[in-house]
Amino acid sequence: RKEVEQDPGPFNVPEGATVAFNCTYSNSASQSFFWYRQDCRKEPKLLMSVYSSGNEDGRFTAQLNRASQYISLLIRDSKLSDSATYLCVVRRYNFNKFYFGSGTKLNVKP
Amino acid sequence: GAGVSQSPRYKVAKRGQDVALRCDPISGHVSLFWYQQALGQGPEFLTYFQNEAQLDKSGLPSDRFFAERPEGSVSTLKIQRTQQEDSAVYLCASSTEGGKGQETQYFGPGTRLLVL
Repeated sequence: RKEVEQDPGPFNVPEGATVAFNCTYSNSASQSFFWYRQDCRKEPKLLMSVYSSGNEDGRFTAQLNRASQYISLLIRDSKLSDSATYLCVVRRYNFNKFYFGSGTKLNVKP
Repeated sequence: GAGVSQSPRYKVAKRGQDVALRCDPISGHVSLFWYQQALGQGPEFLTYFQNEAQLDKSGLPSDRFFAERPEGSVSTLKIQRTQQEDSAVYLCASSTEGGKGQETQYFGPGTRLLVL
């Protein structure tokens, strides 16, 4: 079983829509959680860290559910520029190995 | 300021050739990571350095893969006797601290390796 699992999509949504991605992780010792964004043929870039209490950054909201071992990302009022692949990332406590999901592709259409 | 740089950006190698991929991390960053990203997949961890010490190399797929960071800054990933399955994008990332929490990894643009 992979360390981090994501629905590959693609999610095709119209501009202005709200879209949510989920990600599950297999190891309960995972400590740190992140969402990265990767544009086609570009490097991953940090979108936001995910904190236990949940956190929001503008149109983006991240939630963590440790009991069920999943992380979610909610994007409100989707923009064309949100089209990208969203990578879920976890790091285990006291390890510096980061586990990436395969990514969820989002296409925002006009 | 300057971000993480990698060279070459593209490399075509014949099967059996040796290749060397270079990473220049952000100045002062203690941690350096190498990842392999196959098409349609997320990055897969290869190895991790804290300064010059290679603390984890558990992700290196075979003994044909070797990484070093002798002075704690620039790192080189070497692949000997390349095989077609080595074709991928090799990403380097650096961060400020080692294992302290939610520190951000900054990625370089990657080296796209194609083995024919």
